Formats: sequence, C-alpha cells, structure tokens
Amino acid sequence: GENVEQHPSTLSVQEGDSAVIKCTYSDSASNYFPWYKQELGKRPQLIIDIRSNVGEKKDQRIAVTLNKTAKHFSLHITETQPEDSAVYFCAARDSSASKIIFGSGTRLSIRP
Amino acid sequence: EAGVAQSPRYKIIEKRQSVAFWCNPISGHATLYWYQQILGQGPKLLIQFQNNGVVDDSQLPKDRFSAERLKGVDSTLKIQPAKLEDSAVYLCASGKGAAGELFFGEGSRLTVL
Repeated sequence: GENVEQHPSTLSVQEGDSAVIKCTYSDSASNYFPWYKQELGKRPQLIIDIRSNVGEKKDQRIAVTLNKTAKHFSLHITETQPEDSAVYFCAARDSSASKIIFGSGTRLSIRP
Repeated sequence: EAGVAQSPRYKIIEKRQSVAFWCNPISGHATLYWYQQILGQGPKLLIQFQNNGVVDDSQLPKDRFSAERLKGVDSTLKIQPAKLEDSAVYLCASGKGAAGELFFGEGSRLTVL
C-alpha cells in the first residue's frame, strides 16, 4: 500500500522568509497530492493540491511542486506570516482505492 | 453549505468500556472516511465507505473497532472494549467522489483512562 514520508517534522523560520516542506510517496499509481493545514485544536483544512498531470501549482504565497519520476512533492510558502504557524500534512491518493494516506506532519513556527 | 458534523466532541472513558462516535457528512458526498489522529501524528485511515459499502478497512482493528454507514449517509464508529492506546482524535471526512477534496469534521477527542 501507499506510504507517505514527510520532513522535516519541525521547522522554524523568520517572518518574511520562505519555508519548504518535502514529502515522498511509494505508490507510483498515486495521482492526487493534497496539502492540509491544521491549527491547534482544529480540523485539517485543504490549502492546495496538485494532480499527477501537473508539475507545479501556485496560489498566492503557496506553491506545490511534483516530481513523478522521483516520487516526491514539496510545499513552498513564501513571505511567511505569523498566521502561517500550524502543522502541515502532505497526503497522497492512489488511483485504485481512492484512499488518502497522510504524512506525519510538519510543525511550522514563524519567528517574529 | 453545512460542514461535516461529528459528536460527541469529547469523551472520557475507562479502559475496557465502550464508546461510539457519530458522523454526518456533507449532503451529497458519497465517500466517507474515519481517521484516527494520535497526538503529534498524522491522520491514520481506519475505514473508507463509498455510499454504504466498505472500500477499505485494512487498518481497522476489527477485534475492537467497528463502523457502519447505514443508508449511505450517517456513520458510526464504535470501540469495544477500549484500550489506553485508543486515546486520540477521531476525524470523520467526506468527499464527493474518488477524485475530490476531503472535508473534515471537528473531530471527537477520546481519552481512555
């Protein structure tokens, strides 16, 4: 089955700097890669996603890149702000069972 | 549009007791998932339904966990008997189909003493 690995587990960046979180997946049949943001005590919420027929997608300050050959994808946040502090999860969905498997999460802290 | 509803939000029980969680997905969403999120970890898929049929329950500890989705709408997740390691947040999520976004409920936080 699918296995998603995520790193780093914690990340601290200066406000205004960029943050990058990386994930790898094991199932080459996976075709959908969402990223979720979870603030303390709240539900995970989708912030951006990418499908396997696209190499990069951008939405304002966040972007995701996908390398199908290497089976890895990354989240990039530019011009970080205090409200970006949260736990971020990557995930992958395989094309057969449509189940979504999550990574272990990255706790992002923005230093003022 | 109403979101995914879950209850109860919090539950504290003794080990070996039983507990049930309820989920009402977004109207029209055919796919429903139950995830277990232990503190500091990512959500772990327990079971996935498509309408009222089980698509995947390979990670569900079937000796103590059970789940059903009657009439393809609401779902319940039951734990009997509970163990200390079952302490977690149980997240319900729904989606329109196999290719869309997941929408999560607020979760049900279980503490087993």
